Amino acid sequence: TQLLEQSPQFLSIQEGENLTVYCNSSSVFSSLQWYRQEPGEGPVLLVTVVTGGEVKKLKRLTFQFGDARKDSSLHITAAQPGDTGLYLCAGANAGGTSYGKLTFGQGTILTVHP
Amino acid sequence: GAVVSQHPSWVICKSGTSVKIECRSLDFQATTMFWYRQFPKQSLMLMATSNEGSKATYEQGVEKDKFLINHASLTLSTLTVTSAHPEDSSFYICSAETGGYGNQPQHFGDGTRLSIL
Repeated sequence: TQLLEQSPQFLSIQEGENLTVYCNSSSVFSSLQWYRQEPGEGPVLLVTVVTGGEVKKLKRLTFQFGDARKDSSLHITAAQPGDTGLYLCAGANAGGTSYGKLTFGQGTILTVHP
Repeated sequence: GAVVSQHPSWVICKSGTSVKIECRSLDFQATTMFWYRQFPKQSLMLMATSNEGSKATYEQGVEKDKFLINHASLTLSTLTVTSAHPEDSSFYICSAETGGYGNQPQHFGDGTRLSIL
């Protein structure tokens, strides 16, 4: 069974601060996806990283995929109240019996105070 | 593109009722859809993988007779919670893949909040 450890679980910060969310596993993933979810809605895809060592930027959000494709991080610069939500990392495997299934981290509830 | 529609968004019903939730891929064909359950402030828990034209694959601990899944077409999967009880109250979310071999992201519906009285 693959596990994806996501930390921290809760993060409460002031507007303008920076933060980093981590996802770590002992397993290798073919890709890793980051989602953001607001209460009462489904998760919305932020990014997919595929290549080991890959870095992707989405405005103030920077996503990294570890060289060994076992870990990933999400860094937010100058957080804003609109960034508040549940952030989820999810690892995918391209083959075998787990084909297509995502392994989700526990999630990080981010609250950004004005 | 890649829009997944889930219906209904909210259901309140009496204990013992069966409830059907629909998941549709609006602008793409999805051979595989996934059904998740989510408790407040927690991550998603995969219940089953729904494959078009074949039986669903359930995760360990999920009762297949309780949660009936049908994937009759490439754009529609349904989850029926049979004889629902208060402990079945939860947020149910479906997702669909746009195709490819595992590196394609899943696109999620907006979820169905099920409340059993």
